[in-house]
Amino acid sequence: EAGVAQSPRYKIIEKRQSVAFWCNPISGHATLYWYQQILGQGPKLLIQFQNNGVVDDSQLPKDRFSAERLKGVDSTLKIQPAKLEDSAVYLCASSLRKAFFGQGTRLTVV
Amino acid sequence: AQTVTQSQPEMSVQEAETVTLSCTYDTSESDYYLFWYKQPPSRQMILVIRQEAYKQQNATENRFSVNFQKAAKSFSLKISDSQLGDAAMYFCAYRNTGNQFYFGTGTSLTVIP
Repeated sequence: EAGVAQSPRYKIIEKRQSVAFWCNPISGHATLYWYQQILGQGPKLLIQFQNNGVVDDSQLPKDRFSAERLKGVDSTLKIQPAKLEDSAVYLCASSLRKAFFGQGTRLTVV
Repeated sequence: AQTVTQSQPEMSVQEAETVTLSCTYDTSESDYYLFWYKQPPSRQMILVIRQEAYKQQNATENRFSVNFQKAAKSFSLKISDSQLGDAAMYFCAYRNTGNQFYFGTGTSLTVIP
């Protein structure tokens, strides 16, 4: 089966700029997650969708981060404006009973 | 919220030997799932093994097995006959009934030829 697709793989932006990441989950997976993984740390959940509804966004910095899931399938995560501390890998995952991860987007904010 | 603790930031093992990675978790729930994920330098998180809390039998996947101690809230991963390709970050993860995953801070495994 096809895996979770994410793009882009890498992104370098200046602070205060905006950036968007895209995720296409595994077909049929109702649950989609966005994680932030800072170097040397475990993934931290930013937002969890069930179909196109938000289940948990308690750790999403809503003043600068936003996410949506279009028609319960693809999802985008946006950061506007970016800060230096947003430099991290952003992982998308989808699940039925176990989570499958994409390869992530490495964001560098300079 | 549930917490997952991995107390070994780094581990090393000689090729062909056995290594055990530790994980403890904190929860008040009785129904949950536990996972070990591997993250090589390519960054993609790969599922290694899964354990359902209601099952007493420890899960096994080829060279990978777990020691699940529910009362002690312990979930260790044993890698037998270690191979160079096993070198990676290993994350322990907990999934609750709401399908929410919580990850530990990871253990970096080095395999020495």
